[in-house]
Amino acid sequence: KAGVTQTPRYLIKTRGQQVTLSCSPISGHRSVSWYQQTPGQGLQFLFEYFSETQRNKGNFPGRFSGRQFSNSRSEMNVSTLELGDSALYLCASSSAPGALNEKLFFGSGTQLSVL
Amino acid sequence: AQSVAQPEDQVNVAEGNPLTVKCTYSVSGNPYLFWYVQYPNRGLQFLLKYITGDNLVKGSYGFEAEFNKSQTSFHLKKPSALVSDSALYFCAVRDISRDDKIIFGKGTRLHILP
Repeated sequence: KAGVTQTPRYLIKTRGQQVTLSCSPISGHRSVSWYQQTPGQGLQFLFEYFSETQRNKGNFPGRFSGRQFSNSRSEMNVSTLELGDSALYLCASSSAPGALNEKLFFGSGTQLSVL
Repeated sequence: AQSVAQPEDQVNVAEGNPLTVKCTYSVSGNPYLFWYVQYPNRGLQFLLKYITGDNLVKGSYGFEAEFNKSQTSFHLKKPSALVSDSALYFCAVRDISRDDKIIFGKGTRLHILP
């Protein structure tokens, strides 16, 4: 069974540009969540999707947006990039949020560098 | 609002000694509590989870965690540390009563000294 796949693995952008990150969950998983990982802040929650609906959203500005498609694949978009957006962006999938057997499976992440 | 705190940025333990990585949480309702581990150059992996019932939860690689409702803590433990346990450990919580998101602590770096 293939794991969670995130593309691209690395991205270098300049301030003001926009970027789209992609996440393909484990087959059969319908829940996808996104996190931003930085050395000082740990893992900060961005979004959670289930069956194409955004269930929860973290405390990030409106420049950060996301969506989930009917095949459960998810994309995250960041517009008007700032230097502080440089981070590792992690995607995680699970069968269903809040399920008794809930367990997040993480991808390897997309390392975004904003110059 | 729910929150989770890991008071130690780094913990150093000699190989063979018991280890504890601390975590405290705050939720309005009932929590699901998790521990995840991030080994160098590898993705985050699930270690264990508390839902309800027995306060001592056993997980992967010989780790266990103790749920303490009165102290709102969920400390990660292992009786005898291995050098290979050196990694970054994250505690996480989901307030299941409020159907809330899973949030993570800032992480604790565990160094096992040979």
